[in-house]
Amino acid sequence: EAQVTQNPRYLITVTGKKLTVTCSQNMNHEYMSWYRQDPGLGLRQIYYSMNVEVTDKGDVPEGYKVSRKEKRNFPLILESPSPNQTSLYFCASSFSGGGDEKLFFGSGTQLSVL
Amino acid sequence: QQPVQSPQAVILREGEDAVINCSSSKALYSVHWYRQKHGEAPVFLMILLKGGEQKGHDKISASFNEKKQQSSLYLTASQLSYSGTYFCGTEMTGGFKTIFGAGTRLFVKA
Repeated sequence: EAQVTQNPRYLITVTGKKLTVTCSQNMNHEYMSWYRQDPGLGLRQIYYSMNVEVTDKGDVPEGYKVSRKEKRNFPLILESPSPNQTSLYFCASSFSGGGDEKLFFGSGTQLSVL
Repeated sequence: QQPVQSPQAVILREGEDAVINCSSSKALYSVHWYRQKHGEAPVFLMILLKGGEQKGHDKISASFNEKKQQSSLYLTASQLSYSGTYFCGTEMTGGFKTIFGAGTRLFVKA
């Protein structure tokens, strides 16, 4: 089954404790992206990747890191999480990132930073 | 720049129609529409490309006015299953950065 898999589904952590949210897709997609969703603000793009070893900033990249060492994986790293990073996070992918392609979303990761 | 969606919320009775609008101040290449149920991932509805087109399937359709940089999503004869938050996502020429609106919450009651 074609899917984007995120883990964990829920995560509670404390300020400053490094964490990684994993994202994996099985569709051989070149393009992957991370979004955060906050009430009243919709989905805001954090980082995206056009292919292996090619990443770029979205609209809200501060406090986040990403890497794309393999085509299928695109982890989101919070090196020193803060409470303002409490949010619902979604990973998404598409074949090449073109504007005429739909995005496939993961199930989301609800992160709480205390 | 984030597209503007209107209305922010709408309540319908089953069988009623609704229109959700999405407008951008930038020249657009495409507009995406997604629906999200509470606590779930957004689900793709349709994409419209510049050139001014209209699309639809079942009772959900959409249009894209390239001159005005506006798109509208039309929900006819609404069903309970239509409840959720609807997002438009816009792409400017060049792709790679789908920018989403803040969403329109739609609630259909029996």
